Amino acid sequence: QMQLQESGPGLVTPSETLSLTCTVSGGSISSSDYYWGWIRQSPGKGLEWIGIIYYSGITYYNPSLKSRFTISIDTSKNQFSLKLTSVTAADTAVYYCARQKWGGTTPFDSWGQGTLVTVSS
Amino acid sequence: DTQMTQSPSSLSASVGDRVNITCRASQSISNYLNWYQVKLGKAPKLLIYAASSLESGVPSRFSGSGSGTDFSLTISSLQPDDFATYYCQQCHSSPRTFGQGTKLEIK
Repeated sequence: QMQLQESGPGLVTPSETLSLTCTVSGGSISSSDYYWGWIRQSPGKGLEWIGIIYYSGITYYNPSLKSRFTISIDTSKNQFSLKLTSVTAADTAVYYCARQKWGGTTPFDSWGQGTLVTVSS
Repeated sequence: DTQMTQSPSSLSASVGDRVNITCRASQSISNYLNWYQVKLGKAPKLLIYAASSLESGVPSRFSGSGSGTDFSLTISSLQPDDFATYYCQQCHSSPRTFGQGTKLEIK
């Protein structure tokens, strides 16, 4: 069974760049059957869809967020990543990576446990 | 963006109770509606997709219904493991917005 695990710094300084990685095990990230996505949950708030990436590198982002996010994929390491530039306290959140079956209207059917990122000096 | 509004935002119930959570979309989303269960420190779990399809491995006490703009998640008989926060998500249009969540607590 495919598993996903987020990793990255728990604490980031304001104005710096946050980098998170999602490692996929039990299956290939190069599969044409899936998209790979990032979602976050800020304290006291609901879930927010950040974006998804296909194994080919095609990305789709939440247009409602400022374009500070970049999602990339490294098929040789079976990982995909999230970068967020110029972080502020508002970016403090639990960040989840997840898998979405290929198709325009499919759900996230497998998630990582999430990693808490705190933005503070 | 399509806004998703859940109600109630929190709910107290007892083991064995029947519980209903509703989700309303700001525009028609056909049946492109999913339900997730989220617990702190655990991987969120897909419960229902396409409004009423039960994800493999999810207990049959969970069910979903609705289409267009109004949807509901029903838990027929609450079990101790069901106390969590539940989110709906539309996958009709981008961005794939979530509801604000319904926290289900033990009475």
